Amino acid sequence: AQSVSQHNHHVILSEAASLELGCNYSYGGTVNLFWYVQYPGQHLQLLLKYFSGDPLVKGIKGFEAEFIKSKFSFNLRKPSVQWSDTAEYFCAVNGPGGGADGLTFGKGTHLIIQP
Amino acid sequence: KAGVTQTPRYLIKTRGQQVTLSCSPISGHRSVSWYQQTPGQGLQFLFEYFSETQRNKGNFPGRFSGRQFSNSRSEMNVSTLELGDSALYLCASSLVASGAQNIQYFGAGTRLSVL
Repeated sequence: AQSVSQHNHHVILSEAASLELGCNYSYGGTVNLFWYVQYPGQHLQLLLKYFSGDPLVKGIKGFEAEFIKSKFSFNLRKPSVQWSDTAEYFCAVNGPGGGADGLTFGKGTHLIIQP
Repeated sequence: KAGVTQTPRYLIKTRGQQVTLSCSPISGHRSVSWYQQTPGQGLQFLFEYFSETQRNKGNFPGRFSGRQFSNSRSEMNVSTLELGDSALYLCASSLVASGAQNIQYFGAGTRLSVL
């Protein structure tokens, strides 16, 4: 079975700081990779996704992520965070083909941006 | 375009009762997946329905069941409720079945409290 690890459960940053949230997955085959965000009181929203091609993907609100196949990683980055980025961030993996067990999520990273 | 709609938003039940949750996917989406979100276990895949057929099922007891109707709307049922079933239940819809290059869009969830 797949598993997803998010190394930082809680991160506190000041506005304008750079952000990198780690995500590693265990599945050895071809995967689809996602970052979702859950703002306070809101539903899960897709930040960005990787299916194939350029391993550096750009998402909404200035976020980007890099897929490094050799490291089984898909880290999320943002060069300068804003107070409005305060939210819970989830990395998720979905293997291709039939029999895939839906999305496998990491436990999430609670990000707090201090003004 | 309307998003994924889940009803009801909140439910309070007692142990031993059963509950039915409803999910209306985005128009045109044929796949509906259900997830359970708890503070301890995070987001866990329950099952996926595509074209009225259950495609995949997560590691949950048989008390958890679901179905999908011809209009793609889905229901999930939990029988003989236990205290540990208290959680946020999320529904996600996508155009195609999981495993393909699909994107899942999430509803706001139904928060179930079991007393």
